[in-house]
Amino acid sequence: RKEVEQDPGPFNVPEGATVAFNCTYSNSASQSFFWYRQDCRKEPKLLMSVYSSGNEDGRFTAQLNRASQYISLLIRDSKLSDSATYLCVVSSGYSTLTFGKGTMLLVSP
Amino acid sequence: EAGVTQFPSHSVIEKGQTVTLRCDPISGHDNLYWYRRVMGKEIKFLLHFVKESKQDESGMPNNRFLAERTGGTYSTLKVQPAELEDSGVYFCATGATSYEQYFGPGTRLTVT
Repeated sequence: RKEVEQDPGPFNVPEGATVAFNCTYSNSASQSFFWYRQDCRKEPKLLMSVYSSGNEDGRFTAQLNRASQYISLLIRDSKLSDSATYLCVVSSGYSTLTFGKGTMLLVSP
Repeated sequence: EAGVTQFPSHSVIEKGQTVTLRCDPISGHDNLYWYRRVMGKEIKFLLHFVKESKQDESGMPNNRFLAERTGGTYSTLKVQPAELEDSGVYFCATGATSYEQYFGPGTRLTVT
């Protein structure tokens, strides 16, 4: 079983749509959780950290369920510029990051 | 402020040759990480430096890979001899603390 598993993609959505990504992780000792965004042939960039209480940053909302070892990312009112690969990332607290394979999002006009 | 830089951006070498990748961290970042993405796979951790010391090298695939960070500034990752399965994108990431990591643009390595 992979350490971090994400929804298979790609997700094709029209502008303005709401889209949700899911992720599960296998290491119950994981302590830090993140969503990264990676544009084609670019480096991963931190989108947001994920906290147990849930957190929101503009159109983006992240949720963490430690009991189920499940992380989600909701994007509301999708923009063309949201097209990218979204990477679910966890850390056991020793700072090394464990990545999922990513889910590609394509937002069309 | 300059971000993490990596050199070269692309490298094409033949099987059996040697390649050295370089990473220059953001100034003041003591933590430096190497990651690799092989085609079709997830990004995987290779190793972690704190200043010039190797904190964790559990992700290094084999002894053909050698990472150094003399003086605690820039880091190099040497692959010798390169094999076909070493092809991929090698990312460097740095951070002032162990919690944050800023990624460089990566080096795309192709071994033919």
